[in-house]
Amino acid sequence: EPEVTQTPSHQVTQMGQEVILRCVPISNHLYFYWYRQILGQKVEFLVSFYNNEISEKSEIFDDQFSVERPDGSNFTLKIRSTKLEDSAMYFCASKAGVVENEQFFGPGTRLTVL
Amino acid sequence: LAKTTQPISMDSYEGQEVNITCSHNNIATNDYITWYQQFPSQGPRFIIQGYKTKVTNEVASLFIPADRKSSTLSLPRVSLSDTAVYYCLVGAAMDSNYQLIWGAGTKLIIKP
Repeated sequence: EPEVTQTPSHQVTQMGQEVILRCVPISNHLYFYWYRQILGQKVEFLVSFYNNEISEKSEIFDDQFSVERPDGSNFTLKIRSTKLEDSAMYFCASKAGVVENEQFFGPGTRLTVL
Repeated sequence: LAKTTQPISMDSYEGQEVNITCSHNNIATNDYITWYQQFPSQGPRFIIQGYKTKVTNEVASLFIPADRKSSTLSLPRVSLSDTAVYYCLVGAAMDSNYQLIWGAGTKLIIKP
């Protein structure tokens, strides 16, 4: 069964450093998402991406965040200058199309900012 | 975007049927109701989705009354492995900007 993959599984970084979280969505999917979940809290939407551009973003997704689909397979989330409060699980998800409703989530990347 | 309300936690026993009810009083005409399951340190996993009446798949049933202001996820004959957090979400699934707004979910604990 096809699945969304994410790398790394755990990233530790120093405050102020840049991090890039990588995702490989399911190959024929057209819609891509990033979510985050702070430990013990609810899942929060960050951004959706379609047709090589951002469709929608939340208030969390400020100028420190960016997303890119550099090739036909990868979907990345970059945090330019990490803050302590960026420590969380980051989930990538993809959806096949407009009609299909199910979002498939990856296993997540645990980001720890020291 | 519609907001959902679910019980914070529920307990049940192996072999029982579990029903988790979610209220979404402000659901819009084009909103679908979707349930996800999340195990600790894993990504959420789609369980079921519906628009009205009843939907059933191999793992669950979803009951939606005519006014669509609530919905009930039914898990038949639960096992210990069904211990997880269950999220009820509403959103316009046919929208290319489909955004899932997550509540706190219901923490379901299954006891032997």
